[in-house]
Amino acid sequence: EAQVTQNPRYLITVTGKKLTVTCSQNMNHEYMSWYRQDPGLGLRQIYYSMNVEVTDKGDVPEGYKVSRKEKRNFPLILESPSPNQTSLYFCASSSPAENNEQFFGPGTRLTVL
Amino acid sequence: GEDVEQSLFLSVREGDSSVINCTYTDSSSTYLYWYKQEPGAGLQLLTYIFSNMDMKQDQRLTVLLNKKDKHLSLRIADTQTGDSAIYFCAESPLSNYQLIWGAGTKLIIKP
Repeated sequence: EAQVTQNPRYLITVTGKKLTVTCSQNMNHEYMSWYRQDPGLGLRQIYYSMNVEVTDKGDVPEGYKVSRKEKRNFPLILESPSPNQTSLYFCASSSPAENNEQFFGPGTRLTVL
Repeated sequence: GEDVEQSLFLSVREGDSSVINCTYTDSSSTYLYWYKQEPGAGLQLLTYIFSNMDMKQDQRLTVLLNKKDKHLSLRIADTQTGDSAIYFCAESPLSNYQLIWGAGTKLIIKP
């Protein structure tokens, strides 16, 4: 089944404790992206990647890191989480060969205390 | 810069038609999309329209595109309680893979 998976789905952590949210897609998509969703603000892009070893900042990259060592994986790293990073996070992937339709993961709800 | 705008809420009675509107700024967009997000879930593509089309119909859904006014709408006929969700409009500029997103319209169904 074609899908984007994210782990964990829910996470409660404390300020300053490094964490990684994993994202994996099995559709051989070139493009992957991380978004955060906050009430009234819609989707805001954090980082994106056009292909392996190519990453770039989105609209709200501060406090986040990403890597794209393999085509299928695009982990999101919070080196020192803060309460303002409490949010719902979505990973997505797409390919121009598929009309740029973005396929989304199920989301990760992160709470930073 | 590029921008997509949509109102945050729409309330309709069950059985009526819902019309969700969206305006965008990038005239080079190749595709325009409507995504649906049900409570507690991720976003799923509902439908999309290619920029050289004016209308697309799929069962209860009708998408209208006015390129001159850069206006996109989604009409849901015979709205049901299962249509309660947030609906996101997005455009795909010609220049890159990225999608430009609206803030989402929450559709509220009244009995």
